Amino acid sequence: EADIYQTPRYLVIGTGKKITLECSQTMGHDKMYWYQQDPGMELHLIHYSYGVNSTEKGDLSSESTVSRIRTEHFPLTLESARPSHTSQYLCASSGVGTSDTQYFGPGTRLTVL
Amino acid sequence: TQLLEQSPQFLSIQEGENLTVYCNSSSVFSSLQWYRQEPGEGPVLLVTVVTGGEVKKLKRLTFQFGDARKDSSLHITAAQPGDTGLYLCAGAVEAGNNRKLIWGLGTSLAVNP
Repeated sequence: EADIYQTPRYLVIGTGKKITLECSQTMGHDKMYWYQQDPGMELHLIHYSYGVNSTEKGDLSSESTVSRIRTEHFPLTLESARPSHTSQYLCASSGVGTSDTQYFGPGTRLTVL
Repeated sequence: TQLLEQSPQFLSIQEGENLTVYCNSSSVFSSLQWYRQEPGEGPVLLVTVVTGGEVKKLKRLTFQFGDARKDSSLHITAAQPGDTGLYLCAGAVEAGNNRKLIWGLGTSLAVNP
């Protein structure tokens, strides 16, 4: 079973607030990812990291930012949340010897009013 | 742009029926993975296929990788309500010094009792 955690699970906030979504994994994986997903729809990669101090933007443009200061931690920050940011945010990780398998956290369901 | 077409997008069937989900691409994949996602949770890996022509079985689920490693299918025999969920395929392609996953759009399956 994968050990990847996301907090909070649910978040309802007002427009203009700064938020940070937390993601941690205890598997020592070097690669981590953030996806955005609307209910029942496809995954959109918004950020990824192949190691400490390495971050890249994904295929879908996002106003969020990420950091990777420690291997196990990959937080995502929105400086000023807007209703258009309402979505589910999924964090995943993968590592050497996992055959490209990505292990997902349970997600954070964000609602911006 | 690398695409992974998944069909059908939606499927609603009765308990006991059989079904097949397809993933097709013009790209060659080093591996292909199938995930299942339940509402409010992250995707969970079902299987990884690596060799062209490979067939893997997981209880009532049969996965096949095309000979040319460009396509895959998931067949469910005698579907049950517990099979309800979003099924996602993802193909691994080379990207510089790393590999990245190309995700299908997903098949939302509802099995009615």
